[in-house]
Amino acid sequence: NAGVTQTPKFQVLKTGQSMTLQCAQDMNHEYMSWYRQDPGMGLRLIHYSVGAGITDQGEVPNGYNVSRSTTEDFPLRLLSAAPSQTSVYFCASSYSLRSNQPQHFGDGTRLSIL
Amino acid sequence: GENVEQHPSTLSVQEGDSAVIKCTYSDSASNYFPWYKQELGKRPQLIIDIRSNVGEKKDQRIAVTLNKTAKHFSLHITETQPEDSAVYFCAASIESNYQLIWGAGTKLIIKP
Repeated sequence: NAGVTQTPKFQVLKTGQSMTLQCAQDMNHEYMSWYRQDPGMGLRLIHYSVGAGITDQGEVPNGYNVSRSTTEDFPLRLLSAAPSQTSVYFCASSYSLRSNQPQHFGDGTRLSIL
Repeated sequence: GENVEQHPSTLSVQEGDSAVIKCTYSDSASNYFPWYKQELGKRPQLIIDIRSNVGEKKDQRIAVTLNKTAKHFSLHITETQPEDSAVYFCAASIESNYQLIWGAGTKLIIKP
């Protein structure tokens, strides 16, 4: 099993550009989520999904869109990149958060917005 | 909503000594409390978790204690080793919710 795979690992964008961060898991997990991690801070939840076709907002959703067309994939779209979105982005999955199962993280995407 | 505070932000201990990191939470309905370890440039990884029906849980040199009345939980690491150096995060969630709320992290430094 590959676990949770994120691509790309690094990306530099210009202000106003759009892009999609990819996340895929091969563990048949129901729950998937996107976090951002800024220096000296904990992880903040952007969006999450409890199954295919079901998504919801987390703590900091503005400027980001998600979709969940399959169980395996949960892409995160930046609509119009801003310097404030410079961060490390982590995707995570778990069998079921409702059952309070551990979350498995990808290696992260380091995103810089110029 | 839930708020999790974590202290201290940095903890420096001598190799072989014990380290204690504390977290407080605000929502009394929270019932799941994991701890994650994140090494520099790596992903967070779960090291131990506890549910609200348990007061203490141990795994070798690591233990977590939970005080539901006071709404705080702590991570204890005994006989610290250089490989324990990392940032440690606590988190809390409510089973009927779908969101983990994270503390700001504690940088643990093990001095040789």
